[in-house]
Amino acid sequence: EPEVTQTPSHQVTQMGQEVILRCVPISNHLYFYWYRQILGQKVEFLVSFYNNEISEKSEIFDDQFSVERPDGSNFTLKIRSTKLEDSAMYFCASSRVDSNQPQHFGDGTRLSIL
Amino acid sequence: RKEVEQDPGPFNVPEGATVAFNCTYSNSASQSFFWYRQDCRKEPKLLMSVYSSGNEDGRFTAQLNRASQYISLLIRDSKLSDSATYLCVVTSNPYNQGGKLIFGQGTELSVKP
Repeated sequence: EPEVTQTPSHQVTQMGQEVILRCVPISNHLYFYWYRQILGQKVEFLVSFYNNEISEKSEIFDDQFSVERPDGSNFTLKIRSTKLEDSAMYFCASSRVDSNQPQHFGDGTRLSIL
Repeated sequence: RKEVEQDPGPFNVPEGATVAFNCTYSNSASQSFFWYRQDCRKEPKLLMSVYSSGNEDGRFTAQLNRASQYISLLIRDSKLSDSATYLCVVTSNPYNQGGKLIFGQGTELSVKP
């Protein structure tokens, strides 16, 4: 079964540094998403992306964050000037347009800000 | 009021028990409903979609009451492998419209031998 893949599985970064999280969505999916889950808390929506632009973003997704689809396969989340509170699991997800299947999640990147 | 609210548990049950999880949602415009399962520090995985008429998948039965904005999940004959956190999830968009998923806090289930 096709999977959403994310790299790296764990990223440790100094506070104030920039980090890029990478995702390869399922190949015939057209909607892409980023979610995050702070330890012990619920999964929270960050942003959705369709047709090479952001279709929706949450209050969490401020100017510190950006997303990009740099080529035909990758979908990235960039966090500029990371803060301690950015430490979380970040999940990428994708979905089709013409299917009754909901979003498929990657296995996540654990981001630790020191 | 939280958008999606669940009893956090934990529910500790013996193997073979029947266990029920409840969930309420605040947005009456919610369109699609799901139960996801999350193992410790892993990604959410779809367990089942929830339909207005109720639906069953093996030992799992999901119910939806739109008037009460209430969703339930029943697990019969629970197995050790059912131990996980069960996430109630809603979206205001139909399946194929790219809508964000709104997650509940999750209900932790621990099945003991």
